[in-house]
Amino acid sequence: EVQLLESGGGLVQPGGSLRLSCGASGFMFNNYAMSWVRQAPGKGLEWLSVINNDGTSTYYADSVKGRFTISRDNSRNTLYLQMNSLRTEDTALYYCVKRTRPSMTFAYYFDYWGQGTLVTVSS
Amino acid sequence: QSALTQPRSVSGSPGQSVTISCTGTNNDIGRYNFVSWYQHRPGEGPRLIIYDVSKRPSGVPDHFSGSKSGNTASLTISGLQTDDEADYSCCSFAGNYTLIFGGGTKLTVL
Repeated sequence: EVQLLESGGGLVQPGGSLRLSCGASGFMFNNYAMSWVRQAPGKGLEWLSVINNDGTSTYYADSVKGRFTISRDNSRNTLYLQMNSLRTEDTALYYCVKRTRPSMTFAYYFDYWGQGTLVTVSS
Repeated sequence: QSALTQPRSVSGSPGQSVTISCTGTNNDIGRYNFVSWYQHRPGEGPRLIIYDVSKRPSGVPDHFSGSKSGNTASLTISGLQTDDEADYSCCSFAGNYTLIFGGGTKLTVL
């Protein structure tokens, strides 16, 4: 059974940093691209970033480019999201999501989602 | 890119059909056949129910169907069941590895 388990969320002050982790199991983690998606309170889903299967290619939404960094450790079956210079508008539930191909191209959908980890940016 | 436009809510009675629209632009839905739909219940991660406009993953009941015309994609749920009550979000590829979502639609089964 595919499982994605996010962790690392919490309360942080504006300008602060946080690193989210996502432990994956039930599939060959190193065979698939992965992404982060978030949902702010009362808002729709927002795609944030994608990384290919071996971690050599990444891409970001404009809203987080230069502040967030996606990475992965295939030896630990873990996806990360380093979040710096956090703003109040980054407050959201952050989801780790699986793509269906190794590369970032084609198959533009997510077949498995975690349950999310909550990030609150507030002073 | 701006979010795709969905109605905030729709409703229907058991056995009826409902259609949820998702409107984008010539740069996303209108240009690419990479529209997906997700069912989202409180406390759970979203579930993929339609991909590539009209394809259903294995295990998704066939009373869910998807289509597209111009800049608008649609999710139709026929033979509504109480278990279908949830939020539904559309998503489209928008070029340069970017994906954009709609604001979500709350489906109420009366």
